[in-house]
Amino acid sequence: DTAVSQTPKYLVTQMGNDKSIKCEQNLGHDTMYWYKQDSKKFLKIMFSYNNKELIINETVPNRFSPKSPDKAHLNLHINSLELGDSAVYFCASSSRGILVRDTQYFGPGTRLTVL
Amino acid sequence: AQSVTQLGSHVSVSEGALVLLRCNYSSSVPPYLFWYVQYPNQGLQLLLKYTTGATLVKGINGFEAEFKKSETSFHLTKPSAHMSDAAEYFCAVSLPYSGTYKYIFGTGTRLKVLA
Repeated sequence: DTAVSQTPKYLVTQMGNDKSIKCEQNLGHDTMYWYKQDSKKFLKIMFSYNNKELIINETVPNRFSPKSPDKAHLNLHINSLELGDSAVYFCASSSRGILVRDTQYFGPGTRLTVL
Repeated sequence: AQSVTQLGSHVSVSEGALVLLRCNYSSSVPPYLFWYVQYPNQGLQLLLKYTTGATLVKGINGFEAEFKKSETSFHLTKPSAHMSDAAEYFCAVSLPYSGTYKYIFGTGTRLKVLA
């Protein structure tokens, strides 16, 4: 059973398009995250949700909009894609809520290429 | 600023040799520290973590790390490298952030194992 899954695994699209990446976790965790890994492998948090509530919102362009329909899902919608959005996007989850430092479990990543 | 530094973006070792990957952190609070491994085109997998208690922690695949507060270090070691250890390794620290916690990742170390 896959713990944290993401779809699609690869996404190739043109500049200016709008796209979404979906994430689901079956671990029963309360907190989910989106990270961006750039071409130099640097990982940086973008957003974090706890029980469907946004709790971390880093300095990310407004074109990026996360949405959590329930605590098992966290989707990322990107409007007006730009070349600089090309990266690998990772979803992660952790179990014990926002006041506890807990291990994060990562999905397999979505490689987004903007042409 | 609170951060994580991984010395050596690329490390090469011979098969059977000692693996040593360096991680130093800065934190204003007692740190929670993590090592993750990323195999090509895959997500991040937890190798080991330090929270409190015993400063020498053992992880999967024969890896271990020692938390040294006086040196602000959490170096990762493995006595004997195997070809399958070739991957990217990330050190992370969990730090307080706006009423919750977030990971700060180091820039990663690519381990190459030579036959």
